[in-house]
Amino acid sequence: DAMVIQNPRYQVTQFGKPVTLSCSQTLNHNVMYWYQQKSSQAPKLLFHYYDKDFNNEADTPDNFQSRRPNTSFCFLDIRSPGLGDAAMYLCATSRDYGEETQYFGPGTRLLVL
Amino acid sequence: AQSVTQLGSHVSVSEGALVLLRCNYSSSVPPYLFWYVQYPNQGLQLLLKYTSAATLVKGINGFEAEFKKSETSFHLTKPSAHMSDAAEYFCAVRGLDSGYSTLTFGKGTMLLVSP
Repeated sequence: DAMVIQNPRYQVTQFGKPVTLSCSQTLNHNVMYWYQQKSSQAPKLLFHYYDKDFNNEADTPDNFQSRRPNTSFCFLDIRSPGLGDAAMYLCATSRDYGEETQYFGPGTRLLVL
Repeated sequence: AQSVTQLGSHVSVSEGALVLLRCNYSSSVPPYLFWYVQYPNQGLQLLLKYTSAATLVKGINGFEAEFKKSETSFHLTKPSAHMSDAAEYFCAVRGLDSGYSTLTFGKGTMLLVSP
């Protein structure tokens, strides 16, 4: 009965080699979010979608892009990973904004060699 | 801009003792407030949230929090700590500054529980 699914749980990539992380949801929520969380830090919002409306946080590096081809799936593309991009990447969903709860996936831990 | 301050990056308690994790927020109008818990190598799980109804909010696992507008606080408490409560706790705010669209998280408080 998993609600927000992230694959893979662990991803190893090489410096500069493009990588894609995936997220899917079974909640039929309108909003999907991508967060970056580095060790012992708070999650940092990268992007969010309301349906297909894309919202980019002002300080999200250009190296990060996202796609949401349908309601259920969302992808995070890192075009040229650097060592500083090693982190846990969390996907979350919510039915709407405001008081609605965000439901988080288990995360994908990215290691850059 | 909306912000959250969590006092203490680490809090240590003994099993059975009171848990108190502090959170103060900054927002132009009373916001929506959330507490999330994160266990190692896992995503975040909602403990409870304040949505302008009752100021004392009860959550899962025996946790509760009280919204105090005059103090701009939303501290998390549990009467008796259990070993399984050891985790990182994040306070988060969603306010008018972001159009109520995005959460701003505090830096987190690691709760350590000793036998």
